[in-house]
Order: sequence, then structure tokens, then C-alpha cells
Amino acid sequence: GDSVTQTEGLVTLTKGLPVMLNCTYQTTYSPFLFWYVQHLNEAPKLLLKSSTDNKRTEHQGFYATLHKSSSSFHLQKSSVQLSDSALYFCALSDGSSGNKLIFGIGTLLSVKP
Amino acid sequence: EAAVTQSPRSKVAVTGGKVTLSCHQTNNHDYMYWYRQDTGHGLRLIHYSYVADSTEKGDIPDGYKASRPSQENFSLILELASLSQTAVYFCASSEWGFSQNTLYFGAGTRLSVL
Repeated sequence: GDSVTQTEGLVTLTKGLPVMLNCTYQTTYSPFLFWYVQHLNEAPKLLLKSSTDNKRTEHQGFYATLHKSSSSFHLQKSSVQLSDSALYFCALSDGSSGNKLIFGIGTLLSVKP
Repeated sequence: EAAVTQSPRSKVAVTGGKVTLSCHQTNNHDYMYWYRQDTGHGLRLIHYSYVADSTEKGDIPDGYKASRPSQENFSLILELASLSQTAVYFCASSEWGFSQNTLYFGAGTRLSVL
């Protein structure tokens, strides 16, 4: 069945360094990928989304490119800030039965001074 | 900005007791969802609804019921709360189905079953 894999549970970085959070997926249908961000004690919010192959999507300094050939949608930022510390979820929708949105387990990003 | 409000924000319940979590949205969205968040499992769908007076099972519906009395309101009911239902619960809404659509989440309800 459909699935989303986020390999890092915790990523700890120093402010100003680049980051890449991994997301791979499995589906037999046409995928629509999302990144949601959840700051401490807040609701998850959409960060960015894409269904277009090989096109970079950007929002708030974060960017991701959907690569259907490798089934990946990694989230990147060139210079992390303290305020980027949060839980990041990758999610998959493929429009198949029930229009279900499948979330990965999340990656906690901790940015230190 | 879309608005989804949940109540209560936190609750302590006893095993075997009944718990009702409430959700209200002012987005005029047709779709509403209940998710459960546990460390190591991410967000998992419990129930959802796309029209008033109708609900659908999600991926983990066992032990939960849902009620959608109006477009704005969606409740999650635990008839016999169990220890394993200790978690954070999120309600969300979207204009239509998941595909290509943004989910707007509430702030969550932290439920502890003792």
C-alpha cells in the first residue's frame, strides 16, 4: 500500500547551516506531496506542496522538488534559523480510494545558537 | 486565516469513562477530520466527514465514534476510554478532499487516560 518514509527522527543543527530533511514515498498512483510544520504546542500548518515532477517549490525560505523517478520530496533550506526548530511532516495524497492523506512519522529539527 | 477550534485543550479521563472531544470550524469547509498524534507514528486518521450527518472511518477507527451534526461541528467520542487512547488529538478541515487540498488544523487536545 501507499506509504511515506522519513528516515531521520531528530536533526540537530547550528544556526546558519543548511538542512535537508528526507522524504520518500510509495504509491502506484499519481502523487501529491506536502510538507507540514508543527511548532511546539501549536497546530500543524502547511509549509509547501507539489504534484509537478522536477519543479522546485518554495515557501518561507524552504524548498522542495518532487522527483517521481526516485519517489522523493526532500525539504531543504540553505540557512536554518532558531525559529525553524519544529516537527516537520511529509505527507502523500494520491487521489485514490477515500482521498486519504498519509503522513510520515515526522522529523524533529532542533536548531542551536 | 482559516479557523478551527478544539475543546477542551486538555483532558484527564478515567479508564472506562466516556470522553467527547469537540471541534468547530468557521471556514465553511465541507471536509472535517480527526487525527491522532503519537510519538513514532506521526498523524493517523481516525474518522472524517464530508457532509453533515455523515461520517467515514479512517485508518484507525476502532474504539472511536464520530458525529457531524452540522457543517461547522465535528465531535470525536470515546465511549469506553482506554489507556492506549492517551494521545494528542487534532481536528482539521479542508475545502474538499485531501488531494491538492490544504488541511487547516486546530490547536489539538491532549488526552490522558488514567
